[in-house]
Amino acid sequence: QSALTQPASVSGSPGQSITISCTGTSSDVADYNFVSWYQQHPGKAPKLMIYEVSYRPSGVSNRFSGSKSGNTASLTISGLQSEDEADYYCSSCTSSNTCVFGSGTKVTIL
Amino acid sequence: QLQLQESGPGLVKPSETLSLTCTVSGDSVSTSSLYWGWIRQPPGKGLEWIGSMHYTGTTYYNPSLKSRVTISVDTSRNQFSLKLNSVTATDTAVYFCARVRLGASRSRLNCFDYWGQGTLVTVSS
Repeated sequence: QSALTQPASVSGSPGQSITISCTGTSSDVADYNFVSWYQQHPGKAPKLMIYEVSYRPSGVSNRFSGSKSGNTASLTISGLQSEDEADYYCSSCTSSNTCVFGSGTKVTIL
Repeated sequence: QLQLQESGPGLVKPSETLSLTCTVSGDSVSTSSLYWGWIRQPPGKGLEWIGSMHYTGTTYYNPSLKSRVTISVDTSRNQFSLKLNSVTATDTAVYFCARVRLGASRSRLNCFDYWGQGTLVTVSS
């Protein structure tokens, strides 16, 4: 069970949009729609931002959106704000009820 | 408001057993539509799923840790626990407990919607 592949870092200016990719295999990301995304600020617990590929939990800004194509899922943050600077992790839970996280992406606001 | 709080020793000797407890408030570990799980994060590194369990005893573990891990639940105390045996320095990490949401069919793990604040466990002699 290998970690899902994410870019190590992505950056953007305030107001811009960025997209973070999450590449897995036919056994995880491509298998079903249980892909989720988490935001983690330094020293804090991760926070669920997106579940089931594209659904936002109550209270999460609509600037965050998710999608999937084949074995690659994506998180888009539009209208970048300073508070979006954090680490982001994708996750996929498989049909065998094992879960795997992505390698993590550091988002920097320029 | 749902809260999860990890507790346990912050220092464990190599070859010994790491034991942590997660106390849940604002929800019941006996809720049939939920699982409960553990995730860890070595210093400066990414997240690693350890395992998840249902109060009925059904458990799922990370294959790479399965031989050393046990997750159990104490419904009377509304807690669930993690035991990781034969630890080495590579098990040094912040350990998080989390609530696990299921899919609509209630048979598949879905996502981790509430997390504890995490607790650092260092393996060192």
